[in-house]
Amino acid sequence: SAVISQKPSRDICQRGTSLTIQCQVDSQVTMMFWYRQQPGQSLTLIATANQGSEATYESGFVIDKFPISRPNLTFSTLTVSNMSPEDSSIYLCSVVLADRSYEQYFGPGTRLTVT
Amino acid sequence: AQSVSQHNHHVILSEAASLELGCNYSYGGTVNLFWYVQYPGQHLQLLLKYFSGDPLVKGIKGFEAEFIKSKFSFNLRKPSVQWSDTAEYFCAVKGGANNLFFGTGTRLTVIP
Repeated sequence: SAVISQKPSRDICQRGTSLTIQCQVDSQVTMMFWYRQQPGQSLTLIATANQGSEATYESGFVIDKFPISRPNLTFSTLTVSNMSPEDSSIYLCSVVLADRSYEQYFGPGTRLTVT
Repeated sequence: AQSVSQHNHHVILSEAASLELGCNYSYGGTVNLFWYVQYPGQHLQLLLKYFSGDPLVKGIKGFEAEFIKSKFSFNLRKPSVQWSDTAEYFCAVKGGANNLFFGTGTRLTVIP
């Protein structure tokens, strides 16, 4: 398995501001993903973080709202821009390890509350 | 399009009772299926997975799941639950780009 850390673990933000969430992995990974888990709901994929190129976004998610960077194999950031209360969610980073191509491992999540 | 349905939203059992959580999927490609568990206050953990071969897969903590292709199902089972199994359980199917599509989850409460 892998040790995945996310920063911050939680935050309370005012509407209209932006928050950048970091994801760090201690192993070589092939793929990194960002998911959202809204209160009482399941996980929804936001985007695939591609190393050195633009992320691949799922339907309903756009780069202007959720810019993502992945400068190397083990680190990625997700920014939630111009936040509104509807962005209050848990944001999770997940990875596919280089030697375990069909298994995804999840970080502890970042609990975001927008007031 | 890929999708996963979990029929039970909240299941309440007494300790030592048997468990079966339903999961049905819709996916046209090669099927890779997963069950994840999220214990209170903890992050998602992989419980078990099916890629190919024996349709009955065994996971951690005494859980197992059976892949029935004709029914598009991948139900999770445990013969005797414990209080420590109280958690949220998510079924997921892998998409073409290695991303996962999750069901809505089933909350399991085990009463001592």
